[in-house]
Amino acid sequence: QQQVKQSPQSLIVQKGGIPIINCAYENTAFDYFPWYQQFPGKGPALLIAIRPDVSEKKEGRFTISFNKSAKQFSLHIMDSQPGDSATYFCAASKGAQKLVFGQGTRLTINP
Amino acid sequence: DAGITQSPRYKITETGRQVTLMCHQTWSHSYMFWYRQDLGHGLRLIYYSAAADITDKGEVPDGYVVSRSKTENFPLTLESATRSQTSVYFCASSLTGGNQPQHFGDGTRLSIL
Repeated sequence: QQQVKQSPQSLIVQKGGIPIINCAYENTAFDYFPWYQQFPGKGPALLIAIRPDVSEKKEGRFTISFNKSAKQFSLHIMDSQPGDSATYFCAASKGAQKLVFGQGTRLTINP
Repeated sequence: DAGITQSPRYKITETGRQVTLMCHQTWSHSYMFWYRQDLGHGLRLIYYSAAADITDKGEVPDGYVVSRSKTENFPLTLESATRSQTSVYFCASSLTGGNQPQHFGDGTRLSIL
């Protein structure tokens, strides 16, 4: 199966909170797991990515946690800010094959 | 400026009409992609191309046609538009395939009446 399931569909968090977005995949051959961030009126942009040989990756306030046995990965945003309000997409691929995207999460950070 | 540009940004047309969405990239990336974005479905791949004159179907190719005669251009044509094709369309490019960052344009919002 090629699906990637993302939850929740929408999320509202107060400034400074830690929103967590979860994704689950079925294909154990996937070896690349990126997260994309999309602002209104713009195309998605790569935020952070992880490969299955590590369990966690941090870039600034953004962290990916990866659980290979559970076939799940998640995005955490530390000290969230109103400027982080956007739609977030997880994705997965196997080697050079095409990306499979999750359904997206609309995140709102209230001041 | 270098990058990936889509045109038009907005388009309204009628059912049965042919419409072409344009995509141009200046990076000389090998791969180019067309996605549609609909609420609740995320980004769904329509067609992609690994190089000039090489194209392949994605998840939702029906009703769409693509071509890639030059590396930098990847137009998407709806031969006979239907209301179900009302969507926001994104073009993307990447240096190689799925395990490299994809760079997206700002999209074309297409409404079919």
